[in-house]
Amino acid sequence: EPEVTQTPSHQVTQMGQEVILRCVPISNHLYFYWYRQILGQKVEFLVSFYNNEISEKSEIFDDQFSVERPDGSNFTLKIRSTKLEDSAMYFCASSVETPVNGAGELFFGEGSRLTVL
Amino acid sequence: QQQVKQSPQSLIVQKGGISIINCAYENTAFDYFPWYQQFPGKGPALLIAIRPDVSEKKEGRFTISFNKSAKQFSLHIMDSQPGDSATYFCAAPNQAGTALIFGKGTTLSVSS
Repeated sequence: EPEVTQTPSHQVTQMGQEVILRCVPISNHLYFYWYRQILGQKVEFLVSFYNNEISEKSEIFDDQFSVERPDGSNFTLKIRSTKLEDSAMYFCASSVETPVNGAGELFFGEGSRLTVL
Repeated sequence: QQQVKQSPQSLIVQKGGISIINCAYENTAFDYFPWYQQFPGKGPALLIAIRPDVSEKKEGRFTISFNKSAKQFSLHIMDSQPGDSATYFCAAPNQAGTALIFGKGTTLSVSS
């Protein structure tokens, strides 16, 4: 069964360092998302991406965050200068259509745990 | 930003009992309300969803009830089983319909 894969599964970094989290969405999906979850709590929306541009971003997704689909298969989240409060589980998701359409189910990866020291 | 309020935060139910989780949403232009289930160490996965041309949708032991006038929907798990122990998230579309906004989650423990 097709699945969303994320790497790394766990990354430890020093505050102020740049981090890139990588995702390979399901191959026929067109819509891509990043969410984060702090300590198993709320799943917070960061950004949605379609047709090589950001569709929507939340207040959390400030200038230190960026997303890219560099090669037609990978979808990356970059955090330019990490802060302690960026420590969280970051989930990538993809869907065939927008969430409100018939085939809009979001398929999530297993997450990348980011620990900022 | 669109808000989705979910309750209770945690729930303990005996095996065979009924688990009920509630969700309230703010105004949305899109009537699509899913529930996602998350097991420890995994990403959330779609459990059941409703498009409210109906007030209720049932899939096996899982039922969504929807009250449009109250802007509320709920998940009922009948005959709860230990394997249902997980975190459940309700969600609603954002204003543009380009993403889902999730509630804070309910941790369900079904005791045997």
